[in-house]
Amino acid sequence: GAVVSQHPSRVICKSGTSVKIECRSLDFQATTMFWYRQFPKKSLMLMATSNEGSKATYEQGVEKDKFLINHASLTLSTLTVTSAHPEDSSFYICSAGPRDEKLFFGSGTQLSVL
Amino acid sequence: DQQVKQNSPSLSVQEGRISILNCDYTNSMFDYFLWYKKYPAEGPTFLISISSIKDKNEDGRFTVFLNKSAKHLSLHIVPSQPGDSAVYFCAATLPNRDDKIIFGKGTRLHILP
Repeated sequence: GAVVSQHPSRVICKSGTSVKIECRSLDFQATTMFWYRQFPKKSLMLMATSNEGSKATYEQGVEKDKFLINHASLTLSTLTVTSAHPEDSSFYICSAGPRDEKLFFGSGTQLSVL
Repeated sequence: DQQVKQNSPSLSVQEGRISILNCDYTNSMFDYFLWYKKYPAEGPTFLISISSIKDKNEDGRFTVFLNKSAKHLSLHIVPSQPGDSAVYFCAATLPNRDDKIIFGKGTRLHILP
């Protein structure tokens, strides 16, 4: 079946550094990928919609300069957390799927900012 | 405004019995509903889905029922197994190009020995 690969699975970094998370669709082309963030005891929150070849669409309240999204090809989207701070520590998940079919999720990235 | 609601944050069920997870929604335009299962520190994995034109979809031990008039769906797991202990997310999508998925807050299912 369709697989979405996400890495790294876990990253620990110092405050002020930038962290890049990759999301790849392995056996299908994804013109659209989605980035989510999960807060403890809350549902997954959609952060932005990544569109191949164009700018990402950010949800209200999400800082686009803080969370840079690049969807350079039909199989790769990256999320860069710039100048990370402890409050950015969270579980980040991407998802994608063939058009009109079910979405598949990446394995997630646990970000810990010290 | 929460469009997809899972009002039970947790549920405990004896192994071998039936687990019923409930989900309510407010937007009648949703055309596709999904259930995801999530283990700690892992991303959610797709479990089962149902189109709004159906009222039941079955896959092995998992069955999803949709009641459009009540804007309610439920996931039945029978018989429940220890490996079913996880957080279950109900989600819905709208018939537009974004394929934006709207999640409930999840229900933690504990399967008791």
